[in-house]
Amino acid sequence: AIQLTQSPSSLSASVGDRVTITCRASQGISSALAWYQQKPGKAPKLLIYDASSLESGVPSRFSGSGSGTDFTLTISSLQPEDFATYYCQQFNSYPDTFGQGTRLEIK
Amino acid sequence: QLQLQESGSGLVKPSQTLSLTCAVSGGSISSGGYSWSWIRQPPGKGLEWIGYIYHSGSTYYNPSLKSRVTISVDRSKNQFSLKLSSVTAADTAVYYCARRPTVIPYFDYWGQGTLVTVSS
Repeated sequence: AIQLTQSPSSLSASVGDRVTITCRASQGISSALAWYQQKPGKAPKLLIYDASSLESGVPSRFSGSGSGTDFTLTISSLQPEDFATYYCQQFNSYPDTFGQGTRLEIK
Repeated sequence: QLQLQESGSGLVKPSQTLSLTCAVSGGSISSGGYSWSWIRQPPGKGLEWIGYIYHSGSTYYNPSLKSRVTISVDRSKNQFSLKLSSVTAADTAVYYCARRPTVIPYFDYWGQGTLVTVSS
């Protein structure tokens, strides 16, 4: 199975900061990567699919980039509602796998 | 608006079978272009894909769970189900159902999740 490694595992930032989360795949996955946001007690919410396509209704401050093995999720200006845990997911190869998550906390 | 809702036993004894159902509303489970998935999350941990079933009935399971998992669909009730046999405490988790488009297979709609605890 393809392993996804996210970094950092946790991150403290302030409202208004620009934040970047990285997801590295153990082998190339083209652009078959999605990003999700999860708040405590809630289901994950799709943010980005196909590495860089913004899901409908997701604010434009979220963006994704990358292909092959290295991917990034960027939040251009953190808002209070963005403090959550973020997961990447690859769907290039069976079985689907997720990264371990990045917890974004308020500084 | 598509909605998914998990239901089933919240407490299962070790060695028994976990059974959950996901009711789909606002769309037909029989329509092409999607598979219907189960994903779980142990308390305080990350997400693990369990498996999915296509509208055709074809199933794909995580190799780590394949010997214990069965996913089935009931088109008459517009729902799909998960059975996980021989459970242990390691199977304690929040279980989510989700929709997965076939062409670009991310998970776009999720249920709210249901906690299943394995304990005697």
